[in-house]
Amino acid sequence: SQTIHQWPATLVQPVGSPLSLECTVEGTSNPNLYWYRQAAGRGLQLLFYSVGIGQISSEVPQNLSASRPQDRQFILSSKKLLLSDSGFYLCAWSVILGSTDTQYFGPGTRLTVL
Amino acid sequence: TQLLEQSPQFLSIQEGENLTVYCNSSSVFSSLQWYRQEPGEGPVLLVTVVTGGEVKKLKRLTFQFGDARKDSSLHITAAQPGDTGLYLCAGASRNAGNMLTFGGGTRLMVKP
Repeated sequence: SQTIHQWPATLVQPVGSPLSLECTVEGTSNPNLYWYRQAAGRGLQLLFYSVGIGQISSEVPQNLSASRPQDRQFILSSKKLLLSDSGFYLCAWSVILGSTDTQYFGPGTRLTVL
Repeated sequence: TQLLEQSPQFLSIQEGENLTVYCNSSSVFSSLQWYRQEPGEGPVLLVTVVTGGEVKKLKRLTFQFGDARKDSSLHITAAQPGDTGLYLCAGASRNAGNMLTFGGGTRLMVKP
């Protein structure tokens, strides 16, 4: 079965510090990978998605970047964090089967920027 | 830009009551998914509906996809405290590369 991991689970960082969040998927090959940010108790905003190694698409301009150095590894980074980067970050994976593209989510990382 | 409107945003009911959550759009989706999310955790997939008019049941939860594949509903019968959580709908569109568009979520609280 497939599993998705995210770490760290929680992170408190000062403004201006760098960021690296990691996501790994097990049990599947060549998945589509996604990074989302979620405001408190609300819907999800897609930040980045990747259909393969080294292929990154950005959905919104921002202070963040993403990389996919391996097939099942997706990294979210920032050189200098802003207060507005605080939030709940979710990684997801999917494999398109027929007409459906169901996404499965990791446990998330709670980021607080002070 | 595709939008999915979820209603209501908040719902507080007593154990045993029935409820319906709605997800509406002016766009057509190739599939629609419902998730439930607990605080501090990632969303967990409940169901995917693909065919217009499709109805799927998951114990006390009934999901329906509109005939035109623009809307969906989630009906919970005899709600229990364990149903408490954030319910999210998400639509996939081939025109958008099968990217998911998420609704704003419905926060449900079921009081014992």
